Amino acid sequence: DIQMTQSPSSLSASVGDRVTITCRASQSISSYLNWYQQKPGKAPNLLIYAVSSLQSGVPSNFSGSGSGIDFTLTISSLQPEDFATYFCQQSYSTPFTFGPGTKVDIK
Amino acid sequence: QVQLVQSGAEVKKPGASVKVSCKASGYTFNSYGISWVRQAPGQGLEWMGWITAHNGNTDYAKKFRGRLTMTTDTSTSTAYMELIYLRSDDTAVYFCSRGQWHLDYWGQGTLVTVSS
Repeated sequence: DIQMTQSPSSLSASVGDRVTITCRASQSISSYLNWYQQKPGKAPNLLIYAVSSLQSGVPSNFSGSGSGIDFTLTISSLQPEDFATYFCQQSYSTPFTFGPGTKVDIK
Repeated sequence: QVQLVQSGAEVKKPGASVKVSCKASGYTFNSYGISWVRQAPGQGLEWMGWITAHNGNTDYAKKFRGRLTMTTDTSTSTAYMELIYLRSDDTAVYFCSRGQWHLDYWGQGTLVTVSS
């Protein structure tokens, strides 16, 4: 199985900050990398698929980049509604494993 | 609008089975797969498998093979996930979601509690 790691596991930031979360795969996954946001008690919400394609309705301050093994989710200017946990997921080969998550909270 | 509505919370004893439903609306059910993901309390997301709605082909995570069955009823646009021989570590919120390679709509989740 492909293992996914994320860093940091948590971070504290202020509204307006630029936030970067990284995700690393245990082997190359080409461009099969998705990002989800999850708020407490809610289902995950797809933000970005195929590394950098913004899901419909997702604000443009979210962006993704990377290829192969290393990937990045960037929030260009953190908004109050962005405080949540973020998960990456590889969809290169089953089982489509998720990263352990990065919790973004208020500084 | 696309909606996935799941069945309600379940409490089961170890060794029992559970069947969770996921009723889809707002799109052509046969045109997308349905994936199932679970989340143990305070933990991350775990991919369980998927089913293609139009022909019922499935792909299950190896750890669930032999215990997990996914099915669909195209006449009612409903997907089902059945897990047998439940253990305490199967206690989790189970989510259905639309799609296979990326999951763009999700059900609200169904809490399954396994306890003696």
